[in-house]
Amino acid sequence: GENVEQHPSTLSVQEGDSAVIKCTYSDSASNYFPWYKQELGKRPQLIIDIRSNVGEKKDQRIAVTLNKTAKHFSLHITETQPEDSAVYFCAASMGTGGFKTIFGAGTRLFVKA
Amino acid sequence: GAVVSQHPSWVICKSGTSVKIECRSLDFQATTMFWYRQFPKQSLMLMATSNEGSKATYEQGVEKDKFLINHASLTLSTLTVTSAHPEDSSFYICSARDELRQGNQPQHFGDGTRLSIL
Repeated sequence: GENVEQHPSTLSVQEGDSAVIKCTYSDSASNYFPWYKQELGKRPQLIIDIRSNVGEKKDQRIAVTLNKTAKHFSLHITETQPEDSAVYFCAASMGTGGFKTIFGAGTRLFVKA
Repeated sequence: GAVVSQHPSWVICKSGTSVKIECRSLDFQATTMFWYRQFPKQSLMLMATSNEGSKATYEQGVEKDKFLINHASLTLSTLTVTSAHPEDSSFYICSARDELRQGNQPQHFGDGTRLSIL
């Protein structure tokens, strides 16, 4: 089955700096890659997603890139703010099996003011 | 937008009790829902895929007799933790996608249920 690896597990940046989180997936059949932000004790919230027919997508300070050949995808957050502090999960989903979604281990992002 | 409602949000009970958690899609239909388990500071681990009108599909290592899943309607899936023990204490969260929208779509999550077994 699908396996998603995520790095780093913890990331600390200064306010205003950029943060990059990287993920790899194993199953080439995966075609949808969402990123979720989870604050303590709350549900994961979708922040951005990318499909396999697109190499890059941007939404204000957040961007995601996808390299299908290498099975890599990354989240980039620019001009980080303290409220960006949370746990971020990458995930991979394929169009079969009911579209089940497999998550990476998560990255705990700390943005220091 | 698509809303998933999960109840209860918090359960504290004695060892040996069975606990039922409900997951409802409020404004869309879902023939498939997913149940995850999350330990503190860890990722969401997929437990099973709940299929409306048929048996759930369990991930490797998840005991189907321990975690009973029922998906009797297009808007409701339930997870019952049978004869719960302290090691079953965890954060359980369900998700579903709006299936009327074509193609692969994001999962919408419930608020989760924090289960504490004494």
